[in-house]
Amino acid sequence: DAGITQSPRHKVTETGTPVTLRCHQTENHRYMYWYRQDPGHGLRLIHYSYGVKDTDKGEVSDGYSVSRSKTEDFLLTLESATSSQTSVYFCAISSGRLTDTQYFGPGTRLTVL
Amino acid sequence: EDQVTQSPEALRLQEGESSSLNCSYTVSGLRGLFWYRQDPGKGPEFLFTLYSAGEEKEKERLKATLTKKESFLHITAPKPEDSATYLCAVLHGSGNTGKLIFGQGTTLQVKP
Repeated sequence: DAGITQSPRHKVTETGTPVTLRCHQTENHRYMYWYRQDPGHGLRLIHYSYGVKDTDKGEVSDGYSVSRSKTEDFLLTLESATSSQTSVYFCAISSGRLTDTQYFGPGTRLTVL
Repeated sequence: EDQVTQSPEALRLQEGESSSLNCSYTVSGLRGLFWYRQDPGKGPEFLFTLYSAGEEKEKERLKATLTKKESFLHITAPKPEDSATYLCAVLHGSGNTGKLIFGQGTTLQVKP
């Protein structure tokens, strides 16, 4: 998985609770991404980062926030989890060039009851 | 609207029966087209990148091709271990803000 780990790998939580997912990389890549994967929708970009403290929104960013204080870590926070955020979340990384390949982590399965 | 469509949604083949998966796209400013393989419960695994029409890439039993409107993933004499979901994604945009748009995938099952 190209030196990418995600934690936790599985989480069950209740509606209204805050949740933070962590992505850690050992490749020193500049770009990091958070996606969600749902049946019928494929992979959709939530947020991405193009450097420490530099982040931007993707197509499904509502209800999510991110932070990147170190090159190797990218955190995704659900401020108040809802059942619609039940999904599989993938982190991806790519090096500095725009057209470089994105490599994906193993995913986190999140269930919001 | 930028869109990526994969067909068929599901494909069943007998071992050794060659076939092709299609990825059609309508995006502005195509910067690259990517193919990934995804096994159940795992993250997508990179296979190929294609950057311009006419380009082809090969890896073992897989060959990817690209035209101005679509890409094909040809599978020659598949084996059961080729069973997986194959994802196509298009990178578009300008400057440093290129983004991937994914198709919904084709689930391939190869029976022995």
